[in-house]
Amino acid sequence: NAGVTQTPKFRVLKTGQSMTLLCAQDMNHEYMYWYRQDPGMGLRLIHYSVGEGTTAKGEVPDGYNVSRLKKQNFLLGLESAAPSQTSVYFCASSRGFNSPLHFGNGTRLTVT
Amino acid sequence: AQSVTQLDSQVPVFEEAPVELRCNYSSSVSVYLFWYVQYPNQGLQLLLKYLSGSTLVESINGFEAEFNKSQTSFHLRKPSVHISDTAEYFCAASNFGNEKLTFGTGTRLTIIP
Repeated sequence: NAGVTQTPKFRVLKTGQSMTLLCAQDMNHEYMYWYRQDPGMGLRLIHYSVGEGTTAKGEVPDGYNVSRLKKQNFLLGLESAAPSQTSVYFCASSRGFNSPLHFGNGTRLTVT
Repeated sequence: AQSVTQLDSQVPVFEEAPVELRCNYSSSVSVYLFWYVQYPNQGLQLLLKYLSGSTLVESINGFEAEFNKSQTSFHLRKPSVHISDTAEYFCAASNFGNEKLTFGTGTRLTIIP
């Protein structure tokens, strides 16, 4: 039982490049989330999904897009990376609202 | 919208001493509260949660937290810490019917041998 798996674990991008972060969960959870973690700022919600085919904006959605074509996968895209997007990105999933979140191990992204 | 405040960014504690990590939230209306722990180079893991019922909740590794509605607090305590408790601790809150969880900025707990 893998839980929540994020790929890749590390990535370095140049300003303006694009990339997609993949999150996969095998717990049949309805809800999935993308957070970014920055020093001194805790975790901030980027986008989330309450079910297959649905997405919604979180606290800091600008510069990111997401898709949830399959229940088990939640993709986070950066169309034109900026140095301000240097961060550690965490995916999480849960059964529903107010249920505990299960986190992946993170993706460390550096934009130069 | 719910907001969560963790005033202490770092807490150094001697091994076997007690510790309290402070957390305050903004809205008591149907609030749900959580503590998550993050060990180095890992994702967050649920430590304990308050949804309803008894205001004192406990984890399996000796931590406890008390929901205090009048002070809008959910402080985390442990009577005797161990080296293995070294981690960053995040308080989080949400309101009933709200699928979004708001996190505090975290407290880094360092255990001094």
